[in-house]
Amino acid sequence: EVVLTQSPATLSLSPGERATLSCRASQSVGIYLVWYQQKPGQAPRLLIYDASKRATGIPARFSGSGSGKDFTLTISSLEPEDFAVYYCQQRSNWPPLTFGGGTKVEIK
Amino acid sequence: EVQLLESGGGLVQPGGSLRLSCAASGITFSVYAMTWVRQAPGKGLEWVSVISGSGGSTYYADSVKGRFTISRDNSKNTVYLEMNSLTAEDTAVYYCAKGQISGTYGDDALDIWGQGTMVTVSS
Repeated sequence: EVVLTQSPATLSLSPGERATLSCRASQSVGIYLVWYQQKPGQAPRLLIYDASKRATGIPARFSGSGSGKDFTLTISSLEPEDFAVYYCQQRSNWPPLTFGGGTKVEIK
Repeated sequence: EVQLLESGGGLVQPGGSLRLSCAASGITFSVYAMTWVRQAPGKGLEWVSVISGSGGSTYYADSVKGRFTISRDNSKNTVYLEMNSLTAEDTAVYYCAKGQISGTYGDDALDIWGQGTMVTVSS
């Protein structure tokens, strides 16, 4: 089973700042890494798939990069609605599909 | 508009059973794999099970294998999760989600999610 480790657990930033979230896999997943955003009381929302492709309707301030074991989600300039929990998920070595533990982006 | 609507959650005693349903609208349901993901209170996401579009292929997390059964009725645009021998560790919000790409077995991103249904296992 591929273990995904996300860091940091919590990121405290102000609106307008740049957010950099990390996801590290226990073995290579190629480019098959997905990012989701989840706000309190809501279902997750697909942001990025195949490491760097934005899903439909996702603003350009969200970008993904990486391959193999190391991946990054970057939010170039935080908007108030971006404060949420972000999860990575791999779809390379399955079953099971696995998720990271999440990074909470909170307002500083 | 694509929508997924889960139902069937509730309070059940340890050892009990429950069947969740997820009704889809706005999509050609039969070509997409459908996945169940759960989230225990205050915790992260856990993949539970997936079924291919035809229903011919199913996969389960080890934590539910032998106790949960996923199925689908493409004539009703609905996917089900039959849960037996429930324990407190199964307490969670259960989400159904649609695979992003048609024709896969379930190894793709999840692009549409339902609002979730809460399952509480307690005496």
